[in-house]
Amino acid sequence: SQQGEEDPQALSIQEGENATMNCSYKTSINNLQWYRQNSGRGLVHLILIRSNEREKHSGRLRVTLDTSKKSSSLLITASRAADTASYFCATDATGTASKLTFGTGTRLQVTL
Amino acid sequence: DADVTQTPRNRITKTGKRIMLECSQTKGHDRMYWYRQDPGLGLQLIYYSFDVKDINKGEISDGYSVSRQAQAKFSLSLESAIPNQTALYFCATSPGTSGGGGETQYFGPGTRLLVL
Repeated sequence: SQQGEEDPQALSIQEGENATMNCSYKTSINNLQWYRQNSGRGLVHLILIRSNEREKHSGRLRVTLDTSKKSSSLLITASRAADTASYFCATDATGTASKLTFGTGTRLQVTL
Repeated sequence: DADVTQTPRNRITKTGKRIMLECSQTKGHDRMYWYRQDPGLGLQLIYYSFDVKDINKGEISDGYSVSRQAQAKFSLSLESAIPNQTALYFCATSPGTSGGGGETQYFGPGTRLLVL
């Protein structure tokens, strides 16, 4: 079963625009991570936010976490065509010995 | 990530055949994982291993088995392949931390399996 659900399932924007993806989850977590997957390739870690953090930045990425609402968002600013990929949230739920549970992903298409 | 390799990269097999997918890592990580990804979906955990002597079932272990031959090697076997095991299979590693500090996982390039 999927712990996280991403919204929207698909997103199409133009280069230079910002892209926002949301993730909702069901149980208490130690941390939440975002991964990127280019078509048919392995996942690449983007950013990790711990349960006691509310916001984190890494380059053009901004992640927020609201544990009261069990939700997170990933913002990619000034998007580029190279950002085209699927983005997955993954939760490290409390008491699961650091196993990750992945959401269903958001497919982002950035057009020129 | 070239530090995590998977072989083969593509495999076509027939129903009922036993096949093995192999994963090797040079990252020196203790923890290794096998995931399955179906089209348009996220990853589901099949098995995981926190060290050579520790093997655990994940969400969807039925029909699969694993072997942790060494810290660097973790193999996944399909005992008797069936068509609904057609999927993309990923191996991943993580360093292993304590205290709930969180772990990044590092993924291999995947093995695309087709069961006819």
